[in-house]
Amino acid sequence: LAKTTQPISMDSYEGQEVNITCSHNNIATNDYITWYQQFPSQGPRFIIQGYKTKVTNEVASLFIPADRKSSTLSLPRVSLSDTAVYYCLGANYNQGGKLIFGQGTELSVKP
Amino acid sequence: GAVVSQHPSWVICKSGTSVKIECRSLDFQATTMFWYRQFPKQSLMLMATSNEGSKATYEQGVEKDKFLINHASLTLSTLTVTSAHPEDSSFYICSARDDSPEFYEQYFGPGTRLTVT
Repeated sequence: LAKTTQPISMDSYEGQEVNITCSHNNIATNDYITWYQQFPSQGPRFIIQGYKTKVTNEVASLFIPADRKSSTLSLPRVSLSDTAVYYCLGANYNQGGKLIFGQGTELSVKP
Repeated sequence: GAVVSQHPSWVICKSGTSVKIECRSLDFQATTMFWYRQFPKQSLMLMATSNEGSKATYEQGVEKDKFLINHASLTLSTLTVTSAHPEDSSFYICSARDDSPEFYEQYFGPGTRLTVT
């Protein structure tokens, strides 16, 4: 399973766009790139997933370059409630779906 | 969306006693469930993979005799922390993988806070 590297922490202000980049140099061909959000004392919540190029849903966008060695989670116009830890993972659903969490990025949104 | 519940949400027990934590998939079937442990300010650590009808698969370094896992049905997995000690105090989180081929997400429960005194 892919080892991922993310910034430990990031600060932002309400209304700004936040981009969190994750490095996964050894991502396997069958791995999907998946992002989770976790609030304190809660289980992680799925945000978005992609294989390559760009994926967008109602809460975020995910940009994956052609070489797939990195990915960027983009959160448009963050609010205070977006303060959380964000995890980037490589997920291979053909291998039982086991998810290995890295250190994550602690995002702090200030007013 | 799919919901995974955990019970209890928090528990306090005395050192040496055993504690059982339940993980249920409420609106889908899950042949495979996962158990994680999370210490304060740290990431989630995968403990084991729970498979309905078969023995759990434990990650390296996790004592299978201490953390007993039973996946009795397609909607229920239990984790029993046996002879708990203060160092077992942690946040335990389960997740369940939907068996439906068109859904590949893993859904996480809300977690169980265990405090051993």
